[in-house]
Amino acid sequence: AQRVTQPEKLLSVFKGAPVELKCNYSYSGSPELFWYVQYSRQRLQLLLRHISRESIKGFTADLNKGETSFHLKKPFAQEEDSAMYYCALLSGGYNKLIFGAGTRLAVHP
Amino acid sequence: NAGVTQTPKFQVLKTGQSMTLQCAQDMNHEYMSWYRQDPGMGLRLIHYSVGAGITDQGEVPNGYNVSRSTTEDFPLRLLSAAPSQTSVYFCASSRPGTSAGNEQFFGPGTRLTVL
Repeated sequence: AQRVTQPEKLLSVFKGAPVELKCNYSYSGSPELFWYVQYSRQRLQLLLRHISRESIKGFTADLNKGETSFHLKKPFAQEEDSAMYYCALLSGGYNKLIFGAGTRLAVHP
Repeated sequence: NAGVTQTPKFQVLKTGQSMTLQCAQDMNHEYMSWYRQDPGMGLRLIHYSVGAGITDQGEVPNGYNVSRSTTEDFPLRLLSAAPSQTSVYFCASSRPGTSAGNEQFFGPGTRLTVL
């Protein structure tokens, strides 16, 4: 079965600390994975996708097919990073996404 | 461009009432989708459309109907609202084959409460 697991509901860190939001997936085939972010009172927006291998707002995510993981990392968290983060898997065709349950990141001053 | 717009922003219904959630996009995207967002469950796909006149069911379609008469609009209908449909509903659109690839663009959401 295709599935995305985000084991942490809440991740609480202090400003300047490293952050790692975990994402594991189950998918038979070559996965296409995304991280979406939802800031307070804003709409869901794409943060990054694994095929781009890019760094956005200091965040990076590497696809590890052996561990079926796509963890999101940032070396030094900022207060403005506080948001809800969703890992998502492209499921079959037609741009259907399977989302994880989400992790709320709270960065404290 | 306004992007993806949704109306209303908030709605309270009584059990058994019907209503339509509106979604429109002005980016000429072929693909449109409806998701519901529930605490601890992330977003789940309700229905999706790959073009005008073409719709299909997602993961949780029961209790919802959709239609796609134009490229721009993709309304979601609740025929007989139930408390289990209390949720936040998001519409999204995308256009594969462009520089945005498979990125989905989301609307601001509609918060629905069914009493």
